[in-house]
Amino acid sequence: GDSVTQMEGPVTLSEEAFLTINCTYTATGYPSLFWYVQYPGEGLQLLLKATKADDKGSNKGFEATYRKETTSFHLEKGSVQVSDSAVYFCALRYGGSQGNLIFGKGTKLSVKP
Amino acid sequence: EAGVVQSPRYKIIEKKQPVAFWCNPISGHNTLYWYRQNLGQGPELLIRYENEEAVDDSQLPKDRFSAERLKGVDSTLKIQPAELGDSAVYLCASRPGLAGGTDTQYFGPGTRLTVL
Repeated sequence: GDSVTQMEGPVTLSEEAFLTINCTYTATGYPSLFWYVQYPGEGLQLLLKATKADDKGSNKGFEATYRKETTSFHLEKGSVQVSDSAVYFCALRYGGSQGNLIFGKGTKLSVKP
Repeated sequence: EAGVVQSPRYKIIEKKQPVAFWCNPISGHNTLYWYRQNLGQGPELLIRYENEEAVDDSQLPKDRFSAERLKGVDSTLKIQPAELGDSAVYLCASRPGLAGGTDTQYFGPGTRLTVL
């Protein structure tokens, strides 16, 4: 069945460092891909998404490109801040716009000043 | 605009006891989801409602779990009896629905259940 694999955490970076969180997926067909973020004590929030191959999602300085050839959707940010400390979840949606989400296990990011 | 509201935020019970979680979605959102998130894992769908109809409950353990959304607005998820393995965070999410203009799911803060 469809699945999402994320790099294991936790990831600890210094402020202003470059961030990459790897995400690969297995799916039949062409899913939409998402990154959600969960700040401490809060619910999951959509960070960015891409709905077809070669689309780039971006938000708050984060970017991810839908790579069909490598079945990947890696999350990147050029310069992280302390306020980016959170758990990041990669997800795919199958079954079109009304379909269900399948999440990866999450990657915890800690940014030190 | 108020977000998805869940209560309680935390619940501790003894095994074999019943427990219920409540969710009030964003106003006007026709689609409502219940997820379970085990420690160190991503959320897993339990059930999805379109208005008052459960359209996908294939992952709901029906021997002990039940859910309802009687008027197509707020929803209750129940576990009876609870087992040790039910300890998790139970998340509710909502989305406008088929004609709502966005397919983004909005999540509540969750209810953290501990079964002793």
